[in-house]
Amino acid sequence: NAGVTQTPKFQVLKTGQSMTLQCAQDMNHEYMSWYRQDPGMGLRLIHYSVGAGITDQGEVPNGYNVSRSTTEDFPLRLLSAAPSQTSVYFCASSYSILGSSYNSPLHFGNGTRLTVT
Amino acid sequence: SQELEQSPQSLIVQEGKNLTINCTSSKTLYGLYWYKQKYGEGLIFLMMLQKGGEEKSHEKITAKLDEKKQQSSLHITASQPSHAGIYLCGAVQISSGSARQLTFGSGTQLTVLP
Repeated sequence: NAGVTQTPKFQVLKTGQSMTLQCAQDMNHEYMSWYRQDPGMGLRLIHYSVGAGITDQGEVPNGYNVSRSTTEDFPLRLLSAAPSQTSVYFCASSYSILGSSYNSPLHFGNGTRLTVT
Repeated sequence: SQELEQSPQSLIVQEGKNLTINCTSSKTLYGLYWYKQKYGEGLIFLMMLQKGGEEKSHEKITAKLDEKKQQSSLHITASQPSHAGIYLCGAVQISSGSARQLTFGSGTQLTVLP
């Protein structure tokens, strides 16, 4: 199993450009999520999904869109990139909804380093 | 929203020394995860604690959950350079709907000097 795969690993955008960060998992996980990691801020949840067709906002959703058409894929779209979106983005998935009796840990991808100039 | 405070923010120890990292929550902990991150890489799951008083160990790393104090600690015995990295705690947060979210602390940067 490849686990959680994120592409690209690095990306440089100009202000106003749009792009999609890809995330795919091959573990048949229901729960998928996107985090951004900034120095001194830790990991902050952007959006999450508890199954195909279901998405919800996290702590910092503004400027980002997501969709979940399949169980495997959970792309993150930046509609109009801003310098404040310069960050490292992590996609993570787990077998079941966290906090249930079938707790399972989040599995993380290796991240996408995004720079917006 | 739930806040997690980790201490210390950074830690430098000599190889062979023991160390402890703390994670304190502003709300009741329903589940507490510990992860390790090496620079430029993703997070690696270490262990998960659910019940008050629970303690788990993996090799030289032991984590405890004190539910009454809304606190967890991560203890490394006889540290090695391979233990170096950023340690993050994550807590399950009950949201308004049926889904749960995982909130993370800002991390503890551990350096182990050979």
